[in-house]
Amino acid sequence: NAGVTQTPKFQVLKTGQSMTLQCAQDMNHEYMSWYRQDPGMGLRLIHYSVGAGITDQGEVPNGYNVSRSTTEDFPLRLLSAAPSQTSVYFCASREDSHGITEAFFGQGTRLTVV
Amino acid sequence: AQSVAQPEDQVNVAEGNPLTVKCTYSVSGNPYLFWYVQYPNRGLQFLLKYITGDNLVKGSYGFEAEFNKSQTSFHLKKPSALVSDSALYFCAVRPMNSGYSTLTFGKGTMLLVSP
Repeated sequence: NAGVTQTPKFQVLKTGQSMTLQCAQDMNHEYMSWYRQDPGMGLRLIHYSVGAGITDQGEVPNGYNVSRSTTEDFPLRLLSAAPSQTSVYFCASREDSHGITEAFFGQGTRLTVV
Repeated sequence: AQSVAQPEDQVNVAEGNPLTVKCTYSVSGNPYLFWYVQYPNRGLQFLLKYITGDNLVKGSYGFEAEFNKSQTSFHLKKPSALVSDSALYFCAVRPMNSGYSTLTFGKGTMLLVSP
């Protein structure tokens, strides 16, 4: 049981480039989300999904797009990378959308935008 | 909107001594409360949660937390710290019975346990 898998683990982008961070879970979880972690700021929610075909914005959605075509996958797209998007990105999933069950996190993607 | 405060950026404790990592929260109505731990270069791992019932919650690796509704606190505790407990700890909150509301994290507290 792999849990939540994120790829890549590390990435360096130039300003203006686009890329997709991949996230896949094999636990048949309804709820998936993306966070960014910055020093002294904890985890901030970017986007989340309560099921296939349903997504919504979190606290810091600007500059990011998501889609959820399957239960398993929840990719995060950076359309035009900016230095302010340098961060560590975590994908998480949990079984229910109503908040009782705990979240499982991926290992993270460390992104640097130069 | 809900919020979480972890007032200490860092907590230092000697191995074998008890430890406390503080967390207070603000939420409309009753809360669901969680503690997660992050080891270096890893994702967050679930430690324990309070949903309802007994105010003292026991979790993984000997950790426990006490829910105090009047003080809106959910402090993480362990009777005897280990060097291997050194990590970054996050408290998180979500309102109960609020549909698809999201989980809000505190800024994290670094726990350093010295030998």
